[in-house]
Amino acid sequence: GAGVSQSPRYKVAKRGQDVALRCDPISGHVSLFWYQQALGQGPEFLTYFQNEAQLDKSGLPSDRFFAERPEGSVSTLKIQRTQQEDSAVYLCASSFSVNTEAFFGQGTRLTVV
Amino acid sequence: RKEVEQDPGPFNVPEGATVAFNCTYSNSASQSFFWYRQDCRKEPKLLMSVYSSGNEDGRFTAQLNRASQYISLLIRDSKLSDSATYLCAVNKQVNDMRFGAGTRLTVKP
Repeated sequence: GAGVSQSPRYKVAKRGQDVALRCDPISGHVSLFWYQQALGQGPEFLTYFQNEAQLDKSGLPSDRFFAERPEGSVSTLKIQRTQQEDSAVYLCASSFSVNTEAFFGQGTRLTVV
Repeated sequence: RKEVEQDPGPFNVPEGATVAFNCTYSNSASQSFFWYRQDCRKEPKLLMSVYSSGNEDGRFTAQLNRASQYISLLIRDSKLSDSATYLCAVNKQVNDMRFGAGTRLTVKP
């Protein structure tokens, strides 16, 4: 596809359930970012990949959050033992190279009940 | 102190008005700067990059002040369709892009 694709678009999880969110970046884009956006807030940085290397994971809020990009393309954000405070929109973005503009997917809206 | 700060607004302006937003950043080594627009329940979309010399795209003008560590966005002749949240984004040297909380703009007839 032409843009960044995320799935699922919506996810309802019971508290304590594990979830996996997928991001398919624009083909050829080296950099991939994950953000968490709460209602009325800006995107909060979670983690960044350059190809398959996770260069910065300082924004992951706890060890329940884990991200991978094993082949330098598709990425998965996994949240274990979900809590209500994990409810948010999870945005993925990719960029062609370092310091170029990033393009966002439509996000996954996660609701933990 | 947050790495990127914006006045959250809201800014309520009449059609045709000129409105300006500022965004400050804390890391002096920051390399690249952007303005994004986000409509309600949509993903952020790139509005424009911000270059050192300043740049203009139609009714939109972006400026960078490295000495004072801020970027600005000026919108002239506001349209109803400009109503959105405007996010500034700053890239540090290692390409970890950080966003401000966004400034909400409502343009009224």
